[in-house]
Amino acid sequence: QVQLRESGSGLVKPSQTLSLTCAVSGDSVSGGSYSWSWVRQPPGKGLEWIGYISHSGSPYYNPSVQSRLTLSADRSKNEFSLRLTSMTAADTAVYYCARVVLLGTLMYFDYWGRGALVTVSS
Amino acid sequence: QSEVTQPPSVSGAPGQRVTISCTGTSSNIGAGYDVHWYQQLPGTAPKLLIYANSNRPSGVPGRFSASKSVTSASLTITGLQAEDEADYYCQSYDSRLRGGVFGGGTKLTVL
Repeated sequence: QVQLRESGSGLVKPSQTLSLTCAVSGDSVSGGSYSWSWVRQPPGKGLEWIGYISHSGSPYYNPSVQSRLTLSADRSKNEFSLRLTSMTAADTAVYYCARVVLLGTLMYFDYWGRGALVTVSS
Repeated sequence: QSEVTQPPSVSGAPGQRVTISCTGTSSNIGAGYDVHWYQQLPGTAPKLLIYANSNRPSGVPGRFSASKSVTSASLTITGLQAEDEADYYCQSYDSRLRGGVFGGGTKLTVL
């Protein structure tokens, strides 16, 4: 059974950097069949895809956060990470990591972590 | 634009059938890309409900079904149960984003 678990800073000051990690069990982040993604959800609002990293380690970002976002993967720890700079209140959200089925333009999220609430506040 | 539109809310009584619509644009659903559906129970992570327009993952009850036309898709729940009360999201690939795009979500209330 594939499991994902987010960890990282829950409270970030404005202008600072958010760092989150997603630990994966039951699959390999470099296994070759899936990509690995982050999706966020502001309180009371909908879901927003913000980026994914392929099994080969190539990142792809939503243009809305592209200039501030860095995704990476650590094969030795079987985890992938998010780094979002210049945080503002608009970045306050639950951040989910998810496994991505990606075949050309067929793209969906089949396993999700439980989510990590990130609050931006001074 | 990369917007995908869903009705904010729908409701139905136990045992009834409800349908949730999902309308896209020429950069996502209208371009022919597949639509997927997620169920988010209160306080939990989204769960994949339907993939590739009409396919149910193992464990999803058969009363959940979905279909897709040229520029829109729909999710139908038959035999509505109290446990179905949740938020439902459609999602597709978007060529402008070069990634995923979600609908705004629909809150289903079981009366």
